[in-house]
Amino acid sequence: DAGITQSPRYKITETGRQVTLMCHQTWSHSYMFWYRQDLGHGLRLIYYSAAADITDKGEVPDGYVVSRSKTENFPLTLESATRSQTSVYFCASSESGGGPRAYGYTFGSGTRLTVV
Amino acid sequence: DAKTTQPPSMDCAEGRAANLPCNHSTISGNEYVYWYRQIHSQGPQYIIHGLKNNETNEMASLIITEDRKSSTLILPHATLRDTAVYYCIVRVIGNQGGKLIFGQGTELSVKP
Repeated sequence: DAGITQSPRYKITETGRQVTLMCHQTWSHSYMFWYRQDLGHGLRLIYYSAAADITDKGEVPDGYVVSRSKTENFPLTLESATRSQTSVYFCASSESGGGPRAYGYTFGSGTRLTVV
Repeated sequence: DAKTTQPPSMDCAEGRAANLPCNHSTISGNEYVYWYRQIHSQGPQYIIHGLKNNETNEMASLIITEDRKSSTLILPHATLRDTAVYYCIVRVIGNQGGKLIFGQGTELSVKP
């Protein structure tokens, strides 16, 4: 199906483990983004990518790693999970970075990650 | 990117117009105003955006003041399904402006 999908929807992991959250979009959008959402903080940008093999840090990148070897995929890895990374993670994509034709981002349904 | 200020919460009666204000007094000439909403537990949803002219689509209308320092999102006939957090964001246009930085938003409650 066309769209943007995140997997898994729910994940529980232990402190210190490596976790990878997947994001896949079928539109060939050049831009992709990762946000986390916590109570009291709203949505915060972790990393974004303007194209395959081009990534950049957002507001809260520490503890996360991203890669973009293919346009359609943008996985987010927590190299050594900590309890403070318990959050809801949203992936998004956009046709372009800006300008009037960039009507906006389309967000996935989110991954709820719990680190115990 | 310019910051925005929104009231933390608002109520609206079902069937009435919901007018959500946003202040962006430091907006610069190359920044658009975007509105998104987030219904509980879902990913944010794009609503509308504009530069300096008023805009309307099937979801809402966007009124931007002439000096562009504030804007109002109007949901003309609010329904219970419009209960959500509404985010006003200013965003630089062009390829350097890919990032959307969210604020705290306005929690709109539509009541029967």
